[in-house]
Amino acid sequence: EVQLVQSGAEVKKPGESLRISCKGSGYSFASYWITWVRQMPGKGLEWMGRIDPSDSYTNYSPSFQGHVTISVDKSISTAYVQWSSLKASDTAMYYCARLSFDYGVSGTNWWFDPWGQGTLVTVSS
Amino acid sequence: QSVLAQPPSVSGAPGQRVTISCTGSSSNIGAGYDVHWYQQLPGTAPKLLIYGNNNRPPGVPERFSGSKSGTSASLAITGLQAEDEADYYCQSYDSSLSVLYVFGAGTKVTVL
Repeated sequence: EVQLVQSGAEVKKPGESLRISCKGSGYSFASYWITWVRQMPGKGLEWMGRIDPSDSYTNYSPSFQGHVTISVDKSISTAYVQWSSLKASDTAMYYCARLSFDYGVSGTNWWFDPWGQGTLVTVSS
Repeated sequence: QSVLAQPPSVSGAPGQRVTISCTGSSSNIGAGYDVHWYQQLPGTAPKLLIYGNNNRPPGVPERFSGSKSGTSASLAITGLQAEDEADYYCQSYDSSLSVLYVFGAGTKVTVL
């Protein structure tokens, strides 16, 4: 079974650093990009960025560029997202997902499957 | 404001058919990129429901179907059931933005 398992909930203070993880199993981890998605309380899904585990190449959404760092350790099939200085506005549920794809007429089509169970990050003084 | 437009909510009685629209632009859906749909049950992670406009992953009931035309797509639920009450999101790829993957704002389906 293809599965992504995320690390547990975190409670942090503003200004603190944090790294959360996402471990893949049941497939060739290096063969599929991993992506991260934020869901703020009561809100929708926002794409944060993606990483190619084979070479650690990353793309970020402009909204998250410079505020988070996505990384990977393919030797243990685990991807990470980290913050160096958390803000209260970082309070959210964070999901990782595997990027599946196929080739269409207009280019590559990408979809998110499966998803991790989510990591709740609470930042409060 | 989301790149893909969805109605905030739809509702229907058990057994009815409901549809959710997803409207994009010439840089995403209209450019020919596929639309994918996710179901998020209360308190759980999103789950892939439809991929490639109209394909169901194993285990997804046949009452869920997708379609796409022009710059829009739709998700239909026929024979609505109580367990279908959830948030539904459409997603596509966008060629014009640094935001590669775009979502709709989500539609809450309520079973009356």
